[in-house]
Amino acid sequence: ELKVEQNPLFLSMQEGKNYTIYCNYSTTSDRLYWYRQDPGKSLESLFVLLSNGAVKQEGRLMASLDTKARLSTLHITAAVHDLSATYFCAVGDDKIIFGKGTRLHILP
Amino acid sequence: GAGVSQSPSNKVTEKGKDVELRCDPISGHTALYWYRQSLGQGLEFLIYFQGNSAPDKSGLPSDRFSAERTGGSVSTLTIQRTQQEDSAVYLCASSLRGAGNTIYFGEGSWLTVV
Repeated sequence: ELKVEQNPLFLSMQEGKNYTIYCNYSTTSDRLYWYRQDPGKSLESLFVLLSNGAVKQEGRLMASLDTKARLSTLHITAAVHDLSATYFCAVGDDKIIFGKGTRLHILP
Repeated sequence: GAGVSQSPSNKVTEKGKDVELRCDPISGHTALYWYRQSLGQGLEFLIYFQGNSAPDKSGLPSDRFSAERTGGSVSTLTIQRTQQEDSAVYLCASSLRGAGNTIYFGEGSWLTVV
């Protein structure tokens, strides 16, 4: 059964700092998704990663995928307050399983 | 264009009543997913439909939960004899089948069982 683990589950950081969120999964899959969720809102798609070595960037966020290590990372560069949200990774080829989410709080 | 539409957006029901939650996926999307999210928690997979294939029901928590998808489009999630622990946001999502396709989420149906 596919399991998806994120860490950390909670992260408080200062503006301007860099940090990385990790997503490990338990079975082979070539599809990994990153989502953002603001409080009381639904999920917004950030990235879809489809192959080993895939890297995608949007603004201060960069996601990468290592299918051999079954690991994806979401890197935040020079964090700003507006990036405060919960970030989820999700994995699967058909049935998509989500991690528990990383609650990111960026202090001004 | 229209996104994934869910109704009702909010529902308060008495314990023991049945509820139906509706999802209209994006037109042309063959894959449809239902998830449940309790307050402050992650997303719990419930069921996945893909085209005319048999759905993957492996996430339904009990036989009180069922879902159908008519004509490959609209889906209804039914919860019978609701319990307080069923209180959650029920999220529907859809996507085109095939590699690289983004999964789009609706705004959710917030269910409160009193």
